[in-house]
Amino acid sequence: AQTVTQSQPEMSVQEAETVTLSCTYDTSESDYYLFWYKQPPSRQMILVIRQEAYKQQNATENRFSVNFQKAAKSFSLKISDSQLGDAAMYFCAYRSGRRDMRFGAGTRLTVKP
Amino acid sequence: GAVVSQHPSWVICKSGTSVKIECRSLDFQATTMFWYRQFPKQSLMLMATSNEGSKATYEQGVEKDKFLINHASLTLSTLTVTSAHPEDSSFYICSASAGLAGVVLDTQYFGPGTRLTVL
Repeated sequence: AQTVTQSQPEMSVQEAETVTLSCTYDTSESDYYLFWYKQPPSRQMILVIRQEAYKQQNATENRFSVNFQKAAKSFSLKISDSQLGDAAMYFCAYRSGRRDMRFGAGTRLTVKP
Repeated sequence: GAVVSQHPSWVICKSGTSVKIECRSLDFQATTMFWYRQFPKQSLMLMATSNEGSKATYEQGVEKDKFLINHASLTLSTLTVTSAHPEDSSFYICSASAGLAGVVLDTQYFGPGTRLTVL
């Protein structure tokens, strides 16, 4: 079974600084997708970034980037120039094929002004 | 982008009554929809997966007679909590995955969630 582990229950960052959220996963599949979702207090799940396992290049979306290490099964999220609006729960997720998405336990990010 | 709506956003009901929650994909056809339950400060727990026109597949431990799921069209899935009890109080989230061009196939798009409180 595929599992997703987020070892940091809480993280804190100063506004305008950079923070990295960790995620590891376990799978025997070779073709899969990895995601980072953000859940603000409104509880709406928002897709932050997506990575296809077959791509070696790390995905980037504006201030958000990932460090995808396929051999190590690691998928960390880097948030640059942190903003107050980045404060939220962040979930790392794994999906293979059309099956359901598996989520990590989440990391609560606090941004200090 | 792909938008998924849920209705109602919150509902309060008496114990023993049934509650229906709707999940709609507004601008794409959702071949697969998922229903999750989320307890406070916890991750999302998958309840069931439904494909349009077929019976839902329930996760182990989820009572299919209590949580009725219908996916009658490519844009609508419903979750009915039958004979609700206080322990069913939770935040229910649906998500949809598309199978057509123009929408990322392997991404799930989430609805805003429904908070159910059973008195």
